[in-house]
Amino acid sequence: EAGVTQFPSHSVIEKGQTVTLRCDPISGHDNLYWYRRVMGKEIKFLLHFVKESKQDESGMPNNRFLAERTGGTYSTLKVQPAELEDSGVYFCASSQAGVGNSPLHFGNGTRLTVT
Amino acid sequence: AQSVTQLDSQVPVFEEAPVELRCNYSSSVSVYLFWYVQYPNQGLQLLLKYLSGSTLVESINGFEAEFNKSQTSFHLRKPSVHISDTAEYFCVLGADKLIFGTGTRLQVFP
Repeated sequence: EAGVTQFPSHSVIEKGQTVTLRCDPISGHDNLYWYRRVMGKEIKFLLHFVKESKQDESGMPNNRFLAERTGGTYSTLKVQPAELEDSGVYFCASSQAGVGNSPLHFGNGTRLTVT
Repeated sequence: AQSVTQLDSQVPVFEEAPVELRCNYSSSVSVYLFWYVQYPNQGLQLLLKYLSGSTLVESINGFEAEFNKSQTSFHLRKPSVHISDTAEYFCVLGADKLIFGTGTRLQVFP
């Protein structure tokens, strides 16, 4: 079984530019989550998809962040325009059912550096 | 509000020594508790979990954690660590979403 795949593994962009992160969950997993770890701080929840619907987007920091999951398969997280404080590691995770009912499988993360 | 506190940001230890990584949580409702591990250059992996039932849970590589409701703790222990246990360990509280602690870097020295 292929795991959760994230592209790219690293991205370095300048302030004001746009970046799109992609996550391919494990096939058949309806639940998809995005998390972020800013340098030196805890991993924080961004949002949760169930299939193509946003179940919870309470963790999205501001309207510069846009997440989509067209067709309930892969997901993208776009940051436009990027700011310095957006630097960090963005993790994607997927699961068959919700928290506690099935384990979350994490990708290796995308390390975003905004200069 | 729900939160997780990992008191130690770094824990250095010699190989074959015992280790305890501390975790305390706060929640007004019943929750699930997890330990996730991130080895160098890898993604997060589930190490062990407490959902219900027995308060002592174990992983396949010798770690164990005990859910203590009265002390609101879920400390992770291993009686004898290996070099390969060097990693960052996250205590995680699960309700409708996962809430992570700040992580503890375990460094095992030969």
